[in-house]
Amino acid sequence: KAGVTQTPRYLIKTRGQQVTLSCSPISGHRSVSWYQQTPGQGLQFLFEYFSETQRNKGNFPGRFSGRQFSNSRSEMNVSTLELGDSALYLCASSLAPGGDSPLHFGNGTRLTVT
Amino acid sequence: QQQVKQSPQSLIVQKGGISIINCAYENTAFDYFPWYQQFPGKGPALLIAIRPDVSEKKEGRFTISFNKSAKQFSLHIMDSQPGDSATYFCAASRGGYQKVTFGTGTKLQVIP
Repeated sequence: KAGVTQTPRYLIKTRGQQVTLSCSPISGHRSVSWYQQTPGQGLQFLFEYFSETQRNKGNFPGRFSGRQFSNSRSEMNVSTLELGDSALYLCASSLAPGGDSPLHFGNGTRLTVT
Repeated sequence: QQQVKQSPQSLIVQKGGISIINCAYENTAFDYFPWYQQFPGKGPALLIAIRPDVSEKKEGRFTISFNKSAKQFSLHIMDSQPGDSATYFCAASRGGYQKVTFGTGTKLQVIP
């Protein structure tokens, strides 16, 4: 079974631009979560989608948004990029939504904002 | 209430030694406590998980110890190997549409 695929692997953007990251979950997994990873902060939860609906949201500004398609693939969008948005963005899929279903992570998209 | 505090931030252990990473939580509603292992350039991968109805779970060289009354849990890596060098994250969550809360991570280096 193929794992979670995230594209692109690396992105360099300029302040003020917007960016879209893509995530393809493991086949059969209907829940997709997004996390921001920065040194010292660990993994910060962004949002979780299940059946095309956002089920949970973390404490990030409205510039961070996402969506899930009918095939469970998900995209995350960040508008008006700031230097502090530079991070590794991780997508994770799971069979079911919620906290007690094991998460399967992709290898992330490294975003650098200059 | 949603925090999970993890220590130490970094750890150096000699090959063959025991690596111990500790985590503490506040929310007594948490009922699932996984540990994830992350190698450089890779996403985290589930290592082992425990529920609060047991005090210990062992899988190979990896053991989770859980103290419900103290709201603490820890990961023990016995006979640590250089291949165990990675960043380890503890986490806690509830069932239902609840997010997983991660600790800040521990970078483990096992030296020969």
